[in-house]
Amino acid sequence: QQQVKQSPQSLIVQKGGISIINCAYENTAFDYFPWYQQFPGKGPALLIAIRPDVSEKKEGRFTISFNKSAKQFSLHIMDSQPGDSATYFCAASRDYGGSQGNLIFGKGTKLSVKP
Amino acid sequence: DAGVIQSPRHEVTEMGQEVTLRCKPISGHNSLFWYRQTMMRGLELLIYFNNNVPIDDSGMPEDRFSAKMPNASFSTLKIQPSEPRDSAVYFCASSLPRDTHQPQHFGDGTRLSIL
Repeated sequence: QQQVKQSPQSLIVQKGGISIINCAYENTAFDYFPWYQQFPGKGPALLIAIRPDVSEKKEGRFTISFNKSAKQFSLHIMDSQPGDSATYFCAASRDYGGSQGNLIFGKGTKLSVKP
Repeated sequence: DAGVIQSPRHEVTEMGQEVTLRCKPISGHNSLFWYRQTMMRGLELLIYFNNNVPIDDSGMPEDRFSAKMPNASFSTLKIQPSEPRDSAVYFCASSLPRDTHQPQHFGDGTRLSIL
C-alpha cells in the first residue's frame, strides 16, 4: 500500500514533442504528490507538486494531471527540449495530523529528448 | 545561497572498512533525511531526523549502518563494516519544519564503491 508505481522506465522523445510519465498509488491517505528531476551526478530537485483537491497544476511547460478516483497522476512536459533530458521521479506522502509523512518515491523515468 | 553539502563526493574502499559520509544541511532547515539510491531499488529513505533527533530509522538496512546528528548543521552516516552490496549513491536532504509539505532539498550525493 505504500508503493508508488511509475512508468515508463525510459522514454525517448523528439525535440518539441510531449513527454508523458505516469504514476499510480494505492494508499488513499496520500495527499501530496511531488515530481523531482535529477540530472546525472546531481541530487533530485523538486520540479512541481500537486494536492488532490485540484485535478491539474501547470508551471511553464510542466503540468501535473491528477485523477483521484483512479489513484493516478502524471507529468506532462510540453515542447520537450534536450535540456529536459534527466531522470524524473514521482513521489507521494501523507499528512499525519498536521505533520507531513515521508516521501515514497517511484523508481524513476529516464527521459532523453533528441534534437 | 549554499545548498545541502555532502562529503566526500566519491569514496572507494575495501570490504570490511569503516565508511563515514557527511552532510551539512541548509541553515534553518530542521528536518534531515538520508537516502540510498541504487538501480534496483531506486531511492530509499534510510533515516530522518527532526530537530537533531532520529524519528524513523526503519529504513536502515541493518546494524552495520548508523547515523548521528550532533547539531543542527552536521550529520553523519556510518557503515561498519562495509560490504560490496552497500555500493550505491547516498543522498542527504533537508527541509523546513514538517508541519506543512515542504520540499526536500538534496545534496549532490556520495558515490560509494565497496570493493
